[in-house]
Amino acid sequence: AQSVTQLGSHVSVSEGALVLLRCNYSSSVPPYLFWYVQYPNQGLQLLLKYTSAATLVKGINGFEAEFKKSETSFHLTKPSAHMSDAAEYFCAVSLSGGSQGNLIFGKGTKLSVKP
Amino acid sequence: DAGVTQSPTHLIKTRGQQVTLRCSPKSGHDTVSWYQQALGQGPQFIFQYYEEEERQRGNFPDRFSGHQFPNYSSELNVNALLLGDSALYLCASSLEQGRKNIQYFGAGTRLSVL
Repeated sequence: AQSVTQLGSHVSVSEGALVLLRCNYSSSVPPYLFWYVQYPNQGLQLLLKYTSAATLVKGINGFEAEFKKSETSFHLTKPSAHMSDAAEYFCAVSLSGGSQGNLIFGKGTKLSVKP
Repeated sequence: DAGVTQSPTHLIKTRGQQVTLRCSPKSGHDTVSWYQQALGQGPQFIFQYYEEEERQRGNFPDRFSGHQFPNYSSELNVNALLLGDSALYLCASSLEQGRKNIQYFGAGTRLSVL
């Protein structure tokens, strides 16, 4: 069975500091992996996705994530945090792709950015 | 280009009642998925509709049912509401052809069961 674990329900960084949000997955077959962001009172917006092409995936708003099969990880990073990055971030896995397969989400990590 | 739209935005019901939530997919999309997001949790997959049929289902009881119309819009019905059904219900649409593999989410319907 597939599952996603996000380490740290709450991460706080200073503006301009590195953002690192951790995600580990469990899957018996090569997975499709996603990061979504949710701003207050809004739906989910796709940041980036991994679909077995390049292991380093670049997304929107300066975020990127690296797929590491040996560590079963797909951590999200951004070199320099902005106040506007404050939101909740969800890592998700799908076996057969986002359209045919359902997404299994982690519990989310709330990112706070201090001035 | 309109994105995924859901109605209503908020809803208050009492235990035992029935509720219907609606979703219009992004223009050109033909697949609709529904998720339940309880407070402080990640979204959980309820079911997915394609070609007016339920294609996949998550671990939700039969009280949860759905429908997809010929114009690809969808409804989620919940019968015999329980307090635990209080949550944000998210609809996501995607395009089956070409395996675009991206689900676009609406802003959700927040359901409160009293």
